[in-house]
Amino acid sequence: GAVVSQHPSWVICKSGTSVKIECRSLDFQATTMFWYRQFPKQSLMLMATSNEGSKATYEQGVEKDKFLINHASLTLSTLTVTSAHPEDSSFYICSAGPQTGASNEKLFFGSGTQLSVL
Amino acid sequence: SQQGEEDPQALSIQEGENATMNCSYKTSINNLQWYRQNSGRGLVHLILIRSNEREKHSGRLRVTLDTSKKSSSLLITASRAADTASYFCATVSYQAGTALIFGKGTTLSVSS
Repeated sequence: GAVVSQHPSWVICKSGTSVKIECRSLDFQATTMFWYRQFPKQSLMLMATSNEGSKATYEQGVEKDKFLINHASLTLSTLTVTSAHPEDSSFYICSAGPQTGASNEKLFFGSGTQLSVL
Repeated sequence: SQQGEEDPQALSIQEGENATMNCSYKTSINNLQWYRQNSGRGLVHLILIRSNEREKHSGRLRVTLDTSKKSSSLLITASRAADTASYFCATVSYQAGTALIFGKGTTLSVSS
């Protein structure tokens, strides 16, 4: 089946540094990828929709200058947490599917990245 | 934004018992999906039910959908300790570019 690879699985960084998370679709092309954030014991919250070749669409309350998204190719989207602070510590997870139709029946998730900002 | 509410938020049962989780959603849907997440890990797709379906089975899983009430239920029969995880329902949000929007989830604990 289709696989979405996310890297790194976990990262620890100092406050003020930037962290880049990669999301790759391994055996299909994805014009759209989605980034989610999950705090402990909570659900996944959609942060933004990453569109290949164009600007990402951010959900209300998500700072676009804080969370930079680059979808430079049909198989790679990156999320960069800029000037990370302890409150940015969270589990970040991406998803993508070989189709972007309304049903989105085939959507696959990366294994997630646990970010800890000291 | 979140689409749905699951209840209960937490459920503790013994092995062999059945576990039922409910999900309600707010907007019209094309399909509803259920996912499982083990602690600190990625999501596993369990089952998808389309809006024109009322019930679907997959192994020990049974999902129902009531579009008139905007609700769905997930039944896990003969539960096992390995079923311990968080379970989320999710629907597609057309406002969010066809992203899946997740409910708050139910944490299931199955003790042996």
